[in-house]
This record gives sequence, C-alpha cells and structure tokens, in this order.
Amino acid sequence: SQTIHQWPATLVQPVGSPLSLECTVEGTSNPNLYWYRQAAGRGLQLLFYSVGIGQISSEVPQNLSASRPQDRQFILSSKKLLLSDSGFYLCAWRATALNTEAFFGQGTRLTVV
Amino acid sequence: AQKVTQAQTEISVVEKEDVTLDCVYETRDTTYYLFWYKQPPSGELVFLIRRNSFDEQNEISGRYSWNFQKSTSSFNFTITASQVVDSAVYFCALSEEGGYQKVTFGTGTKLQVIP
Repeated sequence: SQTIHQWPATLVQPVGSPLSLECTVEGTSNPNLYWYRQAAGRGLQLLFYSVGIGQISSEVPQNLSASRPQDRQFILSSKKLLLSDSGFYLCAWRATALNTEAFFGQGTRLTVV
Repeated sequence: AQKVTQAQTEISVVEKEDVTLDCVYETRDTTYYLFWYKQPPSGELVFLIRRNSFDEQNEISGRYSWNFQKSTSSFNFTITASQVVDSAVYFCALSEEGGYQKVTFGTGTKLQVIP
C-alpha cells in the first residue's frame, strides 16, 4: 500500500533562518506531488506541484522553493524565513494515471519567531 | 479557472442533530472531479469521497451522504445523527481533468458537535 511521510511534525525557526521540509512517498511510482500551506483558520493554498523529477511549478510567488531530487521525494525550502511563512504545511501525492484523490501527509506546523 | 466556495465558516450542532455542509464550485471543464476531506484537530487531511462529473448519483456511506447537483454546481455533504467525533474542519475540493491535476480546495467549514 502507498504511504506518505512528512517531517518534521513541528518546527520553530527564527526569522532569517533556512528551512527544509521533506516529504517521501512509498508504494507508488511517478506520483504527482504537491505542497500546500494552510494559514491559521484558513483553507489550503497550493504552493508547488511536480509531475516528475526536477519538474517544479509554482502557483504563487513567495519566499519558498521546492525541489524533487528523486521520484518519490519532494522538498520545500527557504533560504531566509519570514514571519509570514508561519503556517501548516502539507505534502500530498496523487496517481498520474487517473484523476484520483490526493493523499496527504501528516503536516508540519511551522512557527517563525 | 476553478473555484470552490464553502460559505459556512463555522457550524455548531448538538449531538444527534443532522447537519449539511454546503459546497459550490466553478469550472469551465465538462469533466471534473469533486472531493470531500475531513481535517480533525490532529491536522492530517482524511479523504472521504470522490465524485466525477458524469456521476450525479447521490451516495450514502453510513451516517454520511453526499448530494451532487450539476444544475446548481453544488456538492453538499450531510452528516446524519452527528457525533462528537465528527467535530473537524471539512474541505470540499475540485480537480479538472488533465494537466497536472491541480486540486483546488475551498476554505473549509469548521463543524463543532456539542455533546
């Protein structure tokens, strides 16, 4: 069966520090991968998506970047965090063959102080 | 462009009451997919249901039921005899066919079931 792992679960970082959140998927090949952010009390905003290794598309301009160095690995990064980067970050995967549902990781709660 | 609107920000019901969560969507595609997810306090999104645009048959799963009406672009979710464990944020989502299969979420409805 397919599983998705996301870590860390919580993170407190000072303003100006770098960020690296990692997401890996098991049990499937060539998934579509997504990073979403959920601000406190709000909906999910799509940040990045990837349809293959090295292929990253950004939905909104921001202080973050994403990379996909391996088929089932998706990384969210920042060189210098801003206070506004605080939020709940969710990684998701979806099969490419059919328009199936997306499956989500457990999320990372990031607080920038 | 695709859009999902969940007009109800928060709903409170007393346990055992029925509750309906509204979802209205916009899309230019004739083929699309609709979803409902549950987000309990732990934060993880739990998939509940997927419905494609060609299947307007309503679905029932235990205490959960979904009413899909293309004529009004709505995909509403009803919980019958609500329980405290149903307390969560519920998201409706839309995906158009093809491309990178972007999933667009509504802003969510927070449901509180009071014992």
